[in-house]
Amino acid sequence: NAGVMQNPRHLVRRRGQEARLRCSPMKGHSHVYWYRQLPEEGLKFMVYLQKENIIDESGMPKERFSAEFPKEGPSILRIQQVVRGDSAAYFCASSSTVSGANVLTFGAGSRLTVL
Amino acid sequence: DAKTTQPPSMDCAEGRAANLPCNHSTISGNEYVYWYRQIHSQGPQYIIHGLKNNETNEMASLIITEDRKSSTLILPHATLRDTAVYYCIALPNFGNEKLTFGTGTRLTIIP
Repeated sequence: NAGVMQNPRHLVRRRGQEARLRCSPMKGHSHVYWYRQLPEEGLKFMVYLQKENIIDESGMPKERFSAEFPKEGPSILRIQQVVRGDSAAYFCASSSTVSGANVLTFGAGSRLTVL
Repeated sequence: DAKTTQPPSMDCAEGRAANLPCNHSTISGNEYVYWYRQIHSQGPQYIIHGLKNNETNEMASLIITEDRKSSTLILPHATLRDTAVYYCIALPNFGNEKLTFGTGTRLTIIP
């Protein structure tokens, strides 16, 4: 089991461009979570998804950010018109109902740098 | 979710047991105590969780007081690779509550 796979590991974008971060959960996991960690700060919850459904997006900025977890394929975190303040590490995690929704396995993260 | 309180930092000598305390005096009956850690620049890592009984796995032991108002994570033989920020979180095992990370305890293992 390869664990939670995130790509790209590093992404550089210029202001105004779009960033797409992908997350493949562990095999058998149907819950996906996205967290953001700004430089020298703590982990902040962004969004919680199950297949084809957004369960909790209370941590998502109101504009420019969106997330999906389609029936087939990885979960995508999309940031439109990036700004320098979006530079951060974005971590994806997954869990299953078998292990318990709060036993999360995290990926290695995608580090976004906005120039 | 119950609020948890942890010391901001701790040191421990390599090879000794590291004991990380956590206070959760407002924990409710259906809330478990979860421990995660984040080694610098890596994704967080689940360590252990428990409800009221002491728990042990290959990584650590979790001791929960009888009144469940506090707990201690024990790393029995700390190594330099255990240097990390450790998070104690209390919430139900199932449901739509999200895992919320506080400031945790920065544990430094001293050679």
